[in-house]
Amino acid sequence: AQSVTQLDSHVSVSEGTPVLLRCNYSSSYSPSLFWYVQHPNKGLQLLLKYTSAATLVKGINGFEAEFKKSETSFHLTKPSAHMSDAAEYFCVVSDGNTSGTYKYIFGTGTRLKVLA
Amino acid sequence: DVKVTQSSRYLVKRTGEKVFLECVQDMDHENMFWYRQDPGLGLRLIYFSYDVKMKEKGDIPEGYSVSREKKERFSLILESASTNQTSMYLCASSPSGNVDEKLFFGSGTQLSVL
Repeated sequence: AQSVTQLDSHVSVSEGTPVLLRCNYSSSYSPSLFWYVQHPNKGLQLLLKYTSAATLVKGINGFEAEFKKSETSFHLTKPSAHMSDAAEYFCVVSDGNTSGTYKYIFGTGTRLKVLA
Repeated sequence: DVKVTQSSRYLVKRTGEKVFLECVQDMDHENMFWYRQDPGLGLRLIYFSYDVKMKEKGDIPEGYSVSREKKERFSLILESASTNQTSMYLCASSPSGNVDEKLFFGSGTQLSVL
C-alpha cells in the first residue's frame, strides 16, 4: 500500500534563505508524486508533479523537487524564501489499486514559516 | 474556468443527525473524492468514486457513506453524526484514466457537530 511521510511538521526560515521540505514515500507500483500548497483560508493549489519523465521537476513560484527512487524521496526546495511562501505544504502520492483505480494519498503537511 | 462547488461553507449539526454534504463539478470528470482535513493529520481519504454509481472506500470510511447518481455530483453522508466528525471536509475531482492527473478542489465545508 502507498504512503507518504513528511518528515517535518513545521519549518522556519528567514526571508531570502533556502527552503527544504522533506517527503518520503512508499509505493507498490510506479507512483506519481505531487506537492500542493494551502495558504491560510485558501484552497489547495498544485505546485508541481512528477510523472516519470524528468527526475528534477520545476513548479510554480520558483519551487522545484527531485525524485530519488533509491531514497524513495521527493523533497521540495526553493533557493530563496519569500514572505508569501508562508503556507502549509502537502506531499501527495498517486498510485494504482488492484481494482485499476487511483488513490491520492496526502502527507500530514509541513507548515512553513518565513521570518522577516 | 474549472469549478468544484461544495454546497455549504459552514455547517453546524447536532449529534445523531443525518448530514448530507454535496459536491458538484462542472468539468465532466470521471473521478471524485471526499477528504477530511484535521490539524496535524493532513488530508485523509474517506471515499472516492471513479464512475457513476461506483465507489470505493478510502482510508477512513467508518461512519460515512457516499452517493453518486449523476456524474457531476458526489454526496457524502454522515448517517448519525458524532462529535469526532467535526472537521473540514474537502471534495475533489480529477479527469479519468491517468495516475498523474491533478486534483481540483472545492473550497471546503467546515462541519461542527455539537
